[in-house]
Amino acid sequence: QQPVQSPQAVILREGEDAVINCSSSKALYSVHWYRQKHGEAPVFLMILLKGGEQKGHEKISASFNEKKQQSSLYLTASQLSYSGTYFCGTEKGGGADGLTFGKGTHLIIQP
Amino acid sequence: GAVVSQHPSWVICKSGTSVKIECRSLDFQATTMFWYRQFPKKSLMLMATSNEGSKATYEQGVEKDKFLINHASLTLSTLTVTSAHPEDSSFYICSASRGKYEQYFGPGTRLTVT
Repeated sequence: QQPVQSPQAVILREGEDAVINCSSSKALYSVHWYRQKHGEAPVFLMILLKGGEQKGHEKISASFNEKKQQSSLYLTASQLSYSGTYFCGTEKGGGADGLTFGKGTHLIIQP
Repeated sequence: GAVVSQHPSWVICKSGTSVKIECRSLDFQATTMFWYRQFPKKSLMLMATSNEGSKATYEQGVEKDKFLINHASLTLSTLTVTSAHPEDSSFYICSASRGKYEQYFGPGTRLTVT
């Protein structure tokens, strides 16, 4: 089942903060976050694992509430390069499954 | 580290022909490779999971005879779109995993079937 992302789109000015949410109706093993620019492949940002472990980007943080099956991505002091479409991908298995992606959140950072 | 390449990056073919797309992990051995497709302005949809030396596992609704996957080694997986039709036109992206953590995506292959 496809996770639900919110908001669908957001426009910010450079330096502002953003939060992107991802929720699932099924129990999750991990949540992966990617950013995709137009015409390019997704770029890995963060992974959050059941049990609290996370690996990712130094300027981007995220949370994973296992009970609520929700994850949030926090972008602070946004830069122009942060523009793109953010996808969360969820995995229900033990670490070797393909990802089910949400529909994406379009983020536009204006100078 | 963890670079994944795809070849070709863009291909145009006539309806009825077959097209092969390669996915390679350049600097690591991938225990598992995944194939996704993405329509314009849409999300990525998982097509199949591929493990070296075994048959690929296809997602529901994906025709295994239409999309042939061969995982010849720990660094190479191929996707062949057989008897391609215009509705197969899409952005095909592979990813490779070393195990429990992140998946590394290739740059994608844009297929246009005329």
